[in-house]
Amino acid sequence: EAQVTQNPRYLITVTGKKLTVTCSQNMNHEYMSWYRQDPGLGLRQIYYSMNVEVTDKGDVPEGYKVSRKEKRNFPLILESPSPNQTSLYFCASRAYALTSEVYEQYFGPGTRLTVT
Amino acid sequence: DQQVKQNSPSLSVQEGRISILNCDYTNSMFDYFLWYKKYPAEGPTFLISISSIKDKNEDGRFTVFLNKSAKHLSLHIVPSQPGDSAVYFCAASQGSGTYKYIFGTGTRLKVLA
Repeated sequence: EAQVTQNPRYLITVTGKKLTVTCSQNMNHEYMSWYRQDPGLGLRQIYYSMNVEVTDKGDVPEGYKVSRKEKRNFPLILESPSPNQTSLYFCASRAYALTSEVYEQYFGPGTRLTVT
Repeated sequence: DQQVKQNSPSLSVQEGRISILNCDYTNSMFDYFLWYKKYPAEGPTFLISISSIKDKNEDGRFTVFLNKSAKHLSLHIVPSQPGDSAVYFCAASQGSGTYKYIFGTGTRLKVLA
């Protein structure tokens, strides 16, 4: 089954304790991206990757790092999490859909992170 | 500065009637717009898109209208079904193949049986 998976789905941690949220896709997509969803702010793009070893900042990259060492994986790293990073995080990959003639993003199920 | 705005946080509609979800944008460079639907505990799923060269795109019960002069787009769902109850996000980008997307804040649609 074609899918984007994220782990963990839920995480409660403390300020300053480094963490990694993993993202993996099995569709051989070149493009992957991370978003956070916050009440009243919608989805905001954190980082994206056009291909292996190619990443760039989205709108809210502060406090986050990413890496893309292999095509299928795109982990999100919080080196020193703070309470303002408490949020719902989504990973996505993208491919061109011939039927709709658009680039469609496929989202993972989300990771709810709480930083105390 | 919210470049893509969905001013209605929620909307309730009777089953079988039309649902109209609205989205406004401020950046005139945006030329590609998408709608996503999101159920609780799931990631968003792509619904429909429209490029700025069109003013309407239809896919089954879903139609998106674009008014470039007003920087406004709307998603029409006809007829609405209880399974359409979800949060709907509009998103905008510069170019269909762009790497950056700006999402709106979402509208929660509830279709009443």
